[in-house]
Amino acid sequence: GQQLNQSPQSMFIQEGEDVSMNCTSSSIFNTWLWYKQDPGEGPVLLIALYKAGELTSNGRLTAQFGITRKDSFLNISASIPSDVGIYFCAGQQASGSRLTFGEGTQLTVNP
Amino acid sequence: DSGVTQTPKHLITATGQRVTLRCSPRSGDLSVYWYQQSLDQGLQFLIQYYNGEERAKGNILERFSAQQFPDLHSELNLSSLELGDSALYFCASSVVGLAGSGANVLTFGAGSRLTVL
Repeated sequence: GQQLNQSPQSMFIQEGEDVSMNCTSSSIFNTWLWYKQDPGEGPVLLIALYKAGELTSNGRLTAQFGITRKDSFLNISASIPSDVGIYFCAGQQASGSRLTFGEGTQLTVNP
Repeated sequence: DSGVTQTPKHLITATGQRVTLRCSPRSGDLSVYWYQQSLDQGLQFLIQYYNGEERAKGNILERFSAQQFPDLHSELNLSSLELGDSALYFCASSVVGLAGSGANVLTFGAGSRLTVL
């Protein structure tokens, strides 16, 4: 099936630093979603992207739908300790179809 | 509260046993998805139901089965449990699930943590 390559696999940063992570695929997607999973909890939707080139912000988070429709990026600015968790990208190839998830980026923020 | 309810939250059982995990989707959502997440792993898709019918199957073992009832709640049955079945099991729901029905934004429950001893 389709695969999403999410990187980096893990990140260890200091509080206040900016963070970037991305998802790439060899296939075209028409929807990109970014989720965050706190330890022991279920993933929660952060940002949804529906159009190639779209740039969407949610507080300190900004995500972009790549122009080629084969990638997406998530940036977190001025990280804080509560940003700790696993960030998953997810893509949808066709309307109504099942999401494909990336393997996740484990983020650790040191105070 | 996401609106997706999963019970039980924690479950400890022995090898060879059988358990049932329950999920109530968000009000108005017709699709239910089950995912397995082992320690430090990603989300492995197991199975999807839409309005009572099975729509897609992922890497679900033959020892596992699921169903969606007329009231749209779903149950995941895990039998002949092995140590390796210990994991977090997530249910997610969405309003879409058929081809052409739109963007598939999933809402996840808090998960059921299964420990097999």
